Amino acid sequence: AQSVTQLDSHVSVSEGTPVLLRCNYSSSYSPSLFWYVQHPNKGLQLLLKYTSAATLVKGINGFEAEFKKSETSFHLTKPSAHMSDAAEYFCVVRVNKLIFGAGTRLAVHP
Amino acid sequence: GAVVSQHPSWVICKSGTSVKIECRSLDFQATTMFWYRQFPKQSLMLMATSNEGSKATYEQGVEKDKFLINHASLTLSTLTVTSAHPEDSSFYICSASVGGAYNEQFFGPGTRLTVL
Repeated sequence: AQSVTQLDSHVSVSEGTPVLLRCNYSSSYSPSLFWYVQHPNKGLQLLLKYTSAATLVKGINGFEAEFKKSETSFHLTKPSAHMSDAAEYFCVVRVNKLIFGAGTRLAVHP
Repeated sequence: GAVVSQHPSWVICKSGTSVKIECRSLDFQATTMFWYRQFPKQSLMLMATSNEGSKATYEQGVEKDKFLINHASLTLSTLTVTSAHPEDSSFYICSASVGGAYNEQFFGPGTRLTVL
């Protein structure tokens, strides 16, 4: 069965420091993987996606993720956090539908 | 572009009443719309997938008679929670895509339903 596990429910960083949000997946097939961000009162927004091309995927707002098949991971990173990055982040695997992880709430402190 | 709206953004109703939630694609024609449910501090769970002009396909465990979905046009889908009960209280999110689950989904902002 396909699934995703987000290893941290909450992550807190200081503005200007790196961000790491961890995601492991389980898939019988070569997966399509996504990261979405959810800001309050706004719809989920696609940050980036992996669909079997380059393993290092660059997304919007300076985020990137690396697909590591040997580790079944798809961690999201950003070199320098901004206050506006505070939000809920979801790692998602697609089979014939989107399967969401439980989410990681990112807090950014001044 | 690719904006999806939901109305209302929040609703409170009494137990036993029915509530209708609208999902609209504002600047594109959505051949497929999806309805998700999100419990507090939990993930999104797909409830059903609807294609314009067809009956919705419900996920296992979702009561089709309780959660009525209509996708009458390429820009509008509705979810009606019939005879709502407190356990139906949740955050309902719709998404829309052109061409089905393998194309990018654009998400609405969600509707918070509270059943008293």
